[in-house]
Amino acid sequence: AQKITQTQPGMFVQEKEAVTLDCTYDTSDQSYGLFWYKQPSSGEMIFLIYQGSYDEQNATEGRYSLNFQKARKSANLVISASQLGDSAMYFCAMREGTGYSTLTFGKGTMLLVSP
Amino acid sequence: EAGVVQSPRYKIIEKKQPVAFWCNPISGHNTLYWYLQNLGQGPELLIRYENEEAVDDSQLPKDRFSAERLKGVDSTLKIQPAELGDSAVYLCASSPGTGFEAFFGQGTRLTVV
Repeated sequence: AQKITQTQPGMFVQEKEAVTLDCTYDTSDQSYGLFWYKQPSSGEMIFLIYQGSYDEQNATEGRYSLNFQKARKSANLVISASQLGDSAMYFCAMREGTGYSTLTFGKGTMLLVSP
Repeated sequence: EAGVVQSPRYKIIEKKQPVAFWCNPISGHNTLYWYLQNLGQGPELLIRYENEEAVDDSQLPKDRFSAERLKGVDSTLKIQPAELGDSAVYLCASSPGTGFEAFFGQGTRLTVV
């Protein structure tokens, strides 16, 4: 079974609108961390936001927020006031357990922001 | 602070030839990852090091791939011999430890012809 599922291959949004990118995860661990990365066409992976499984509040970083619904095992990324520079691939990732462990990625969602 | 440095950025080789990629992680980061990213896909782990120990190499095709991390700092990933299907981007990342995000290099784009 896939540990990270991103069901939206591509999303379109107009500039200045908000957009939600979906991510569901599968783990039996009680302690885990969820991450979102952005990958523009230049190829580098840019860390955006982190949510720990014990964090009660949803994480926020500027225009990025993470809608964490633990019971549903979902960790959706919300981008408010989209900008043209937000056009990129977005990856959801998870690290399981309390010890050292691997960061596992989903297949990604391509976001295109239009003027 | 310098980020994760990878070289080369691009490499074109003929099939059956060997190739090596080099990664210099962020200073002080004990965890080092090598990921493989095929076009339009998410990164897939090849190997993870904690200091100089390879602690997760279950996805590394050991018949042709090898990796080393001498003195727990720089790392080298080697493919010998390369196959057409190895064409992909090879990403290196490092992390200060558990619970922290991984910082990625710009990757090496390998084309096998």
